[in-house]
Amino acid sequence: RKEVEQDPGPFNVPEGATVAFNCTYSNSASQSFFWYRQDCRKEPKLLMSVYSSGNEDGRFTAQLNRASQYISLLIRDSKLSDSATYLCVVTLSGSARQLTFGSGTQLTVLP
Amino acid sequence: DAGVIQSPRHEVTEMGQEVTLRCKPISGHNSLFWYRQTMMRGLELLIYFNNNVPIDDSGMPEDRFSAKMPNASFSTLKIQPSEPRDSAVYFCASSFSQGYGYTFGSGTRLTVV
Repeated sequence: RKEVEQDPGPFNVPEGATVAFNCTYSNSASQSFFWYRQDCRKEPKLLMSVYSSGNEDGRFTAQLNRASQYISLLIRDSKLSDSATYLCVVTLSGSARQLTFGSGTQLTVLP
Repeated sequence: DAGVIQSPRHEVTEMGQEVTLRCKPISGHNSLFWYRQTMMRGLELLIYFNNNVPIDDSGMPEDRFSAKMPNASFSTLKIQPSEPRDSAVYFCASSFSQGYGYTFGSGTRLTVV
């Protein structure tokens, strides 16, 4: 079983739609959680951290369910510029800083 | 802030040749990571350094791969001899050891023919 699993997609949605991505992680001791965004042929960039209470940044909402070991990302009113691959990321130990990446979910927002 | 700087951006080499990838982390960051990305395997951590010391190299695929960090502002990843299956994008990233998230460099796209 992979340490971090994501639905690879692709998700093709019309502009203005709401889209949700899910991610599960296998290690219950995972400490920190993030969503990264990677544009085609570019490096991954931090989109947002994920907090236990859930957090929102504009059109983006991230949620964490530690009991189910599940992370989600919701994008509202999607824009063409949201087209990218979204990577779910966890740290697998408390003090070490290495991040483990999911394989990513590809999103294409269509005009 | 110049970000994480990697060189070269692209490298095409023949099988059997030595390849050296370079990385300059963000000034003040004390953790540095080398990742490899392929379509089949996604992003894989190869090795990471904390305060210039290698902490975990369990992701290094085999003895052909080696990494060094002689000082806080420079790291290299060397492949010798290179093989076609090493073709991938190699990313370097840096962070504060107690910070959140990484900053990635633009990557080196390696093609071994």
